[in-house]
Amino acid sequence: DVKVTQSSRYLVKRTGEKVFLECVQDMDHENMFWYRQDPGLGLRLIYFSYDVKMKEKGDIPEGYSVSREKKERFSLILESASTNQTSMYLCASSLFRGRETQYFGPGTRLLVL
Amino acid sequence: GESVGLHLPTLSVQEGDNSIINCAYSNSASDYFIWYKQESGKGPQFIIDIRSNMDKRQGQRVTVLLNKTVKHLSLQIAATQPGDSAVYFCAETLHNAGNMLTFGGGTRLMVKP
Repeated sequence: DVKVTQSSRYLVKRTGEKVFLECVQDMDHENMFWYRQDPGLGLRLIYFSYDVKMKEKGDIPEGYSVSREKKERFSLILESASTNQTSMYLCASSLFRGRETQYFGPGTRLLVL
Repeated sequence: GESVGLHLPTLSVQEGDNSIINCAYSNSASDYFIWYKQESGKGPQFIIDIRSNMDKRQGQRVTVLLNKTVKHLSLQIAATQPGDSAVYFCAETLHNAGNMLTFGGGTRLMVKP
């Protein structure tokens, strides 16, 4: 079974703090994704990566950055957290380009005060 | 994605009945479709997929039907159980094109004991 893990299930941060969300997959998948999920807006793609050290902007990259130093790990960084970044953050991975089935982690619910 | 969440369409069924969840997809060129299940507080879980060269695909207690003429996808759950209560959403993409998944807004399934 594919396993995608996220470092925290719940996180509370203050406005202006730098926040790191970590995601690890154990199936040697090439592609990794970060989404946020909000009521009324569904899943929105923030960033994705097709390979180590590669990153591509998704639909809503503003206020976020990512890092992929190792194939199995994809980090989402909020440089200076703001209250409008309070959300559920979901990481996903897929085998490679052309195999689009994405497998999701359990999610991190982030509250920015 | 569609604007749902707080206003998610809801399907309420009696335990043991069959459930049918519908999804209208947007891109007539899409040729690969996935159904996900998301339980409260968890990440989406892959259920079943179907390619456009098929009209029907069956899994364990689930069946996906694809009608390309009207761009409609449905998920049928046989003998619905309380553990099936969740939000279900579909995703579409153009296979082998390296395209991102486009997610639907979701339907909340509530199973009454």
